[in-house]
Amino acid sequence: GAVVSQHPSWVICKSGTSVKIECRSLDFQATTMFWYRQFPKQSLMLMATSNEGSKATYEQGVEKDKFLINHASLTLSTLTVTSAHPEDSSFYICSAAAGGADTQYFGPGTRLTVL
Amino acid sequence: GQQLNQSPQSMFIQEGEDVSMNCTSSSIFNTWLWYKQEPGEGPVLLIALYKAGELTSNGRLTAQFGITRKDSFLNISASIPSDVGIYFCAGQPAGGTSYGKLTFGQGTILTVHP
Repeated sequence: GAVVSQHPSWVICKSGTSVKIECRSLDFQATTMFWYRQFPKQSLMLMATSNEGSKATYEQGVEKDKFLINHASLTLSTLTVTSAHPEDSSFYICSAAAGGADTQYFGPGTRLTVL
Repeated sequence: GQQLNQSPQSMFIQEGEDVSMNCTSSSIFNTWLWYKQEPGEGPVLLIALYKAGELTSNGRLTAQFGITRKDSFLNISASIPSDVGIYFCAGQPAGGTSYGKLTFGQGTILTVHP
């Protein structure tokens, strides 16, 4: 149980385009989903917290207009990187937590490369 | 933001050796979690701890939630080559305003020589 999927697993795009990443909880309902960014050999950096049916809460320094988050159902959250630039290239990982649970289960990550 | 102090940063060991790593914080935590991450993958939950003093095992892995609620350790016994990866501790601070939000350690890079 507690499986989280992400799609796509990797994406290469041109500078200026937008990229959407999906995060799904496959066998449980996720009241809350989290989006992280990770640079090589570094820890995970929380970008935003996404609650189903409400606006996402962004961490300090994360541009909400650049990283659009939608949590339309209890099993799906999406992160859209708008007008991507090379500095947005990174490994993006989502996690999901069931209601009332302190434990987060992570997706496999999405490698974004912006040319 | 708040960070956990995780040590050591890296370990190079021989197959069969035991491994120990720990995390400490200046503030109290309600939950301690240990994850393993392999290259190009997301973190995988190894052990979750919810009570002070709790000692939990998962195969060759053992983790404990410190009595003071400010630390946790993870032990791996009889290491094997597939234990290679980055191990992260994570926890939820007590009295936090953001429900479910985790604080992460910097990670311990484990290398096991056959």
